[in-house]
Amino acid sequence: KNQVEQSPQSLIILEGKNCTLQCNYTVSPFSNLRWYKQDTGRGPVSLTIMTFSENTKSNGRYTATLDADTKQSSLHITASQLSDSASYICVVTDRGSTLGRLYFGRGTQLTVWP
Amino acid sequence: EADIYQTPRYLVIGTGKKITLECSQTMGHDKMYWYQQDPGMELHLIHYSYGVNSTEKGDLSSESTVSRIRTEHFPLTLESARPSHTSQYLCASSENIPSGRFSYNEQFFGPGTRLTVL
Repeated sequence: KNQVEQSPQSLIILEGKNCTLQCNYTVSPFSNLRWYKQDTGRGPVSLTIMTFSENTKSNGRYTATLDADTKQSSLHITASQLSDSASYICVVTDRGSTLGRLYFGRGTQLTVWP
Repeated sequence: EADIYQTPRYLVIGTGKKITLECSQTMGHDKMYWYQQDPGMELHLIHYSYGVNSTEKGDLSSESTVSRIRTEHFPLTLESARPSHTSQYLCASSENIPSGRFSYNEQFFGPGTRLTVL
């Protein structure tokens, strides 16, 4: 069964600190892995996307890593801001689907305190 | 910001009512999707469409129905709402993005409709 597991479930950090979110997946055959940010009451917005040939990608203060061998990914947030408070969702696409089916993790709820 | 819209944003209704959640996109995307998301849980695909007159059931069984008469419009209907239908409903559309030797399917999400059935 294709699954995406994220940890921690929730995280509280102080403004200005760094943090790292984890994602493990079993989706196969693997196509790509994305990290989305979902603000409360909003739809997810894409932060990064990586194919199996990429092992790191940055988007401003967000840096995602991918180890396709161990099927693990991380999202590192540098110098956190209050606006980073959101749910961060790891999403994996399989290569066998013409639909581009996405498998979603449950997300890590990040809260940044001043 | 993606050009995909959902209305209403919030809806509180009584049991047994018929409701339609609207979703429209102005990007000309053929593929569109409906997801259901409960608090703290992952998104579950309930319907999708490859294009006009194409609709398919998703991974999660749903009593809702969808239609795709126009490319830009993908409404979801519940004939008789029940409290178990209380959830957030997210609409998305997608396009293929070239990336080196590969391409990937990029999905753009609407803001969602928060449905509460009393």
